[in-house]
Amino acid sequence: EIVLTQSPGTLSLSPGERATLSCRASQSVSSTYLAWYQQTPGQAPRLLIYGASSRATGIPDRFSGSGSGTDFTLTISRLEPEDFAVYYCQQYGSLPFTFGPGTKVDIK
Amino acid sequence: QVQLQESGPGLVKPSQTLSLTCTVSGGSISSGGYYWSWIRQPAGKGLEWIGHIYTSGSTNYNPSLKSRVTISADTSNNQFSLRVTSVTAADTAVYYCASCPLWPPYGLDVWGQGTTVTVSS
Repeated sequence: EIVLTQSPGTLSLSPGERATLSCRASQSVSSTYLAWYQQTPGQAPRLLIYGASSRATGIPDRFSGSGSGTDFTLTISRLEPEDFAVYYCQQYGSLPFTFGPGTKVDIK
Repeated sequence: QVQLQESGPGLVKPSQTLSLTCTVSGGSISSGGYYWSWIRQPAGKGLEWIGHIYTSGSTNYNPSLKSRVTISADTSNNQFSLRVTSVTAADTAVYYCASCPLWPPYGLDVWGQGTTVTVSS
């Protein structure tokens, strides 16, 4: 099983700042099968990024993904009020599909 | 656009079986090209992939739950279902169904709103 580790656990930032979230895998993940999700309280997760760097439909271009192998990054270029949420990475190329524990981005 | 909606009992007694259904609208589960998936999330915790069923009926499960989980599909009603046997308090969670296209490999692109299941006597 591929274990995903996310850091930091919590990121405290102000609106307008840049957020950099990390996802590290215990073994190599095909970039084709690495996704990022955003979850706000009481809501289902929402797909942001698939294939490590492709934005899902309707996702603003302030969200970007990068990385390969075992190290992946989600960057939010300028935080908007609605971006304060929990972010999860997921690999779906190797069974069982696994999620990271999440990074909470909260308001400083 | 595909939409998913979970349904089922919100309260299940310990040692009994949890049964949930996901109704798919805006698309057919028998048309192919998707993994129809279940994910759960205990309160205040992260996401756990439970498993999925493909159009052909083939299934894959999380080994941590495999002995207790069954995912099945009802193509006539455009639904897929989850059964978890011998539940305990540890199975208390919000349960989500989601679609996962095989190609392009978008990941879990459409989610239901989730349904809360509490295991308690």
